[in-house]
Amino acid sequence: EAAVTQSPRNKVTVTGGNVTLSCRQTNSHNYMYWYRQDTGHGLRLIHYSYGAGNLQIGDVPDGYKATRTTQEDFFLLLELASPSQTSLYFCASSGGGVTEVFFGKGTRLTVV
Amino acid sequence: GEKVEQHQSTLSVREGDSAVINCTYTDTASSYFPWYKQEAGKSLHFVIDIRSNVDRKQSQRLTVLLDKKAKRFSLHITATQPEDSAIYFCAAPATSSGQKLVFGQGTILKVYL
Repeated sequence: EAAVTQSPRNKVTVTGGNVTLSCRQTNSHNYMYWYRQDTGHGLRLIHYSYGAGNLQIGDVPDGYKATRTTQEDFFLLLELASPSQTSLYFCASSGGGVTEVFFGKGTRLTVV
Repeated sequence: GEKVEQHQSTLSVREGDSAVINCTYTDTASSYFPWYKQEAGKSLHFVIDIRSNVDRKQSQRLTVLLDKKAKRFSLHITATQPEDSAIYFCAAPATSSGQKLVFGQGTILKVYL
């Protein structure tokens, strides 16, 4: 079973604060994704990458940066967190793009 | 770009009955349609998919039907069990890039005794 590990699992920060969410996959997958899940919206793609040093813009990128430092590691950065970014964040990886996508357990972020 | 929609926010069925969850898409060029399941408090995992070269695919109690003319696909679960209770998400590849999925809003399936 493919493994995607996210940290932290829960995070509370203040408005204007800096937050980094981490994701590591040990599946040798090329593709990694960051999604946010909100009631009524399903999952929305923030950023994704198809390899170390590569970054692609997703559908809801405003307020987020991301960086893929290695094949295994993908980070999501919120430099000026706002309450609208309170959400459940999922990282995912895939070897072949849209097929066989494996998700991490999620990070619940609360911005107060 | 591709838009995927699930109009049923919640579906409740009695244990043993069948459940049908519907999904629509907009891009006629889409050729791959997966379903993901999210149990309470857990992550998503893949359950079944269908490609556009067929109109039906079955895996045990799950069947996916694809109607390309109507741009609609559906997940059928027979003999529902309490462990089928979850949020089900349909998805399709984005038009602009085939390497990312666009998800529907999710349908909460509740199986009651």
